[in-house]
Amino acid sequence: GESVGLHLPTLSVQEGDNSIINCAYSNSASDYFIWYKQESGKGPQFIIDIRSNMDKRQGQRVTVLLNKTVKHLSLQIAATQPGDSAVYFCAHGGTSYGKLTFGQGTILTVHP
Amino acid sequence: EPEVTQTPSHQVTQMGQEVILRCVPISNHLYFYWYRQILGQKVEFLVSFYNNEISEKSEIFDDQFSVERPDGSNFTLKIRSTKLEDSAMYFCASSEGVRVTGYTFGSGTRLTVV
Repeated sequence: GESVGLHLPTLSVQEGDNSIINCAYSNSASDYFIWYKQESGKGPQFIIDIRSNMDKRQGQRVTVLLNKTVKHLSLQIAATQPGDSAVYFCAHGGTSYGKLTFGQGTILTVHP
Repeated sequence: EPEVTQTPSHQVTQMGQEVILRCVPISNHLYFYWYRQILGQKVEFLVSFYNNEISEKSEIFDDQFSVERPDGSNFTLKIRSTKLEDSAMYFCASSEGVRVTGYTFGSGTRLTVV
């Protein structure tokens, strides 16, 4: 079936370090992938997305890498800041009409 | 920046009661969605809605659930007879298109069924 999963449920880093959050997916027909940040009591906030015809996309301090061969997605956050502390979800869309399938989430904690 | 607005932020209801969760999607968006998130778990798709009809629904979205766009701005989720296991955060989202960046979530309604 269609699923998206995460390798690590928690990640603790020091301020200024780079963070890498990983995600695996099972549906090879995946069309696009999105990373969301969720802070306590809030809805998922869009960070960055990537389409299946790309393998890398960069934003401000964030980079998403897509490896279709092994069905793996990662989010890299450069110079992590305490404000980056949140739960990060990968989500997959494109095989159904607008539906997004979310992974379990990784809790990122950034220590000052 | 345009937002998806949800009300109320927190709803407490007794088991068996009907609840209506309300959402105002972004004004130029054409696709609307409901998701839920049970505490500590992942976000789960419930239903997508386009052109005044349901496009897709998940197994969770059974006969107890319904959605409606009663006017040009609101999008509602109704649960007819709530169960304890319906307690969750419910997120509304909207997008311009099916596969377009800009898929925006609201802040959610925390539903507590007692």
